[in-house]
Amino acid sequence: DVQLVESGGDLVQPGGSLRLSCEASGFTFSSFWMSWVRQAPGKGLEWVANIKNDGSQKYYVDSVKGRFTISRDNAKNSLYLQMNSLRAEDTAVYYCARGVTVDIWGQGTVVTVSS
Amino acid sequence: DILMTQTPLSSPVTLGQPASISCRSSQSLVHNDGNTYLSWLQQRPGQPPRLLIYKISNRFSGVPDRFSGSGAGTDFTLKISRVEAEDVAVYYCMQGTQFPVTFGGGTKVEIK
Repeated sequence: DVQLVESGGDLVQPGGSLRLSCEASGFTFSSFWMSWVRQAPGKGLEWVANIKNDGSQKYYVDSVKGRFTISRDNAKNSLYLQMNSLRAEDTAVYYCARGVTVDIWGQGTVVTVSS
Repeated sequence: DILMTQTPLSSPVTLGQPASISCRSSQSLVHNDGNTYLSWLQQRPGQPPRLLIYKISNRFSGVPDRFSGSGAGTDFTLKISRVEAEDVAVYYCMQGTQFPVTFGGGTKVEIK
């Protein structure tokens, strides 16, 4: 089965850091772009970042540029999101999704930024 | 950034009746490669989103044929031919033609 499993979400204080992981299985991970999308409580979907299959291109939404870094390890079939200088407005469920078409989604991991 | 505007915000529908959702983009979604990267996603309560339609009108694997997408340029529509109870969800349009990827605000389909 094609599957994405996120982990790493937690409660963190403003200004803190967190690293999210997404483990892929059931498909050739190294062949696909990958995306992070988030959803604040009771709100809609917001694309956060994506990365080309070989890691050579990365794109970010303006609100996270300079604070978040997307990366991947194709040998481990894993996608990452390093989040620094976290703010209350970063509180959300973070989903990883396959491709720019986002055709496969994980169940999400919850990030709460609060003192 | 490309702004995606969905209407209506909410759509109460009788079971077995059709439903239609509109999505308008602030600029053409035709990519340089000739494709139009407009997708529709469904998010049922408490669930992650699920891809329904990609490139305007292509149903993703396992999506029932009562879901259809149409449109071109800046105007797009998702239609459900006969709404079933399991279709209660929020529906989002999404453009992947230009980064940043952007989503519509969502349309809630509920049963009357």
